[in-house]
Amino acid sequence: SQTIHQWPATLVQPVGSPLSLECTVEGTSNPNLYWYRQAAGRGLQLLFYSVGIGQISSEVPQNLSASRPQDRQFILSSKKLLLSDSGFYLCAWSDRHYEQYFGPGTRLTVT
Amino acid sequence: SQQGEEDPQALSIQEGENATMNCSYKTSINNLQWYRQNSGRGLVHLILIRSNEREKHSGRLRVTLDTSKKSSSLLITASRAADTASYFCATEVSGGYQKVTFGIGTKLQVIP
Repeated sequence: SQTIHQWPATLVQPVGSPLSLECTVEGTSNPNLYWYRQAAGRGLQLLFYSVGIGQISSEVPQNLSASRPQDRQFILSSKKLLLSDSGFYLCAWSDRHYEQYFGPGTRLTVT
Repeated sequence: SQQGEEDPQALSIQEGENATMNCSYKTSINNLQWYRQNSGRGLVHLILIRSNEREKHSGRLRVTLDTSKKSSSLLITASRAADTASYFCATEVSGGYQKVTFGIGTKLQVIP
């Protein structure tokens, strides 16, 4: 069966520090991968999606970037965090059947 | 801007009652999905309805889709305290890259 992992689960970082969040998927190949951010009490904002290795589409211009160095690995990064980057970050994958499967999320607090 | 918008934003009912949540969207879609999120957790897929379907059932869930009104509803029958969660609709627009857009959600509280 397929599983999706995200780490870390929680993170507290100072403004201006770098960020690296990792997401890995097991049990499937060539998945579509997604990064979302959810502000407190709000819906999900799609940040990046990827349909293959090295193929990244950005939905929102910002100081975040994403990379997909391996088929089942998706990384969200920032060189310098802003206060507004605080939120709940969710990684998800889908195959060609449209449903998305979400990881447990990373709660990021920028102080 | 959000493609899907849920209504109401919050709903509180007694256990055993039915809960109805609505979703409206703006552009033509391939399919519409409903997800559930327990507090502080990832989302869980509940049900998908395609643009050529009008109604779909899964256990205590009933979803309808009216493409002429660009709206969908999720009905949870005989609600339980464990149904307390936020519910989101998500739409995949026509021509999209299996990219779905989520609404802001309906927060459902079921009181035991």
